[in-house]
Amino acid sequence: EPEVTQTPSHQVTQMGQEVILRCVPISNHLYFYWYRQILGQKVEFLVSFYNNEISEKSEIFDDQFSVERPDGSNFTLKIRSTKLEDSAMYFCASSEWTGSRTGELFFGEGSRLTVL
Amino acid sequence: ILNVEQSPQSLHVQEGDSTNFTCSFPSSNFYALHWYRWETAKSPEALFVMTLNGDEKKKGRISATLNTKEGYSYLYIKGSQPEDSATYLCAPLPLVFGKGTRLSVIA
Repeated sequence: EPEVTQTPSHQVTQMGQEVILRCVPISNHLYFYWYRQILGQKVEFLVSFYNNEISEKSEIFDDQFSVERPDGSNFTLKIRSTKLEDSAMYFCASSEWTGSRTGELFFGEGSRLTVL
Repeated sequence: ILNVEQSPQSLHVQEGDSTNFTCSFPSSNFYALHWYRWETAKSPEALFVMTLNGDEKKKGRISATLNTKEGYSYLYIKGSQPEDSATYLCAPLPLVFGKGTRLSVIA
């Protein structure tokens, strides 16, 4: 069964360093998403991406964050200068465009980011 | 970005009990509502995608209803089993999740 894959599964970084989290969505999916979950808190929407551009983003997704689809298969989340509060589990998801925006999301296993 | 409320935040039930919880969301500009089941250390699993007012969907012992006019959805679990223990998340588009309802089923 096709699945969303994420790498790395766990990354430890120093505050101020740049981090890139990678996701390979399901191949025929057209909508891509990043969510994060800080330990013990709710799942937070970061950004959605369609047709090579951001379609929606939350207030969390500030100038320190960026997303791109560099090669037609990977979907990356970059954090330019990590802060302690960026420590979280980051989940990538993808969905198939159905015309009515009702396709279910398929999630990756998550990438745990620890900022020291 | 939508504000989604789920209640209760957590729930403990005995094996065999039936239970239900609520998702509330703004009813304006509604497109669809997703329910997900999320077990610790796993990725969320889609349960239902609901689009029409009055929709009822069922998957085994789990069912859901939708009221788009008043902005709520109920998730029901009939005859809870220990394997139903998880966090149940609802998410209207643009897929902003509620805080979830953490269900613990005691054998």
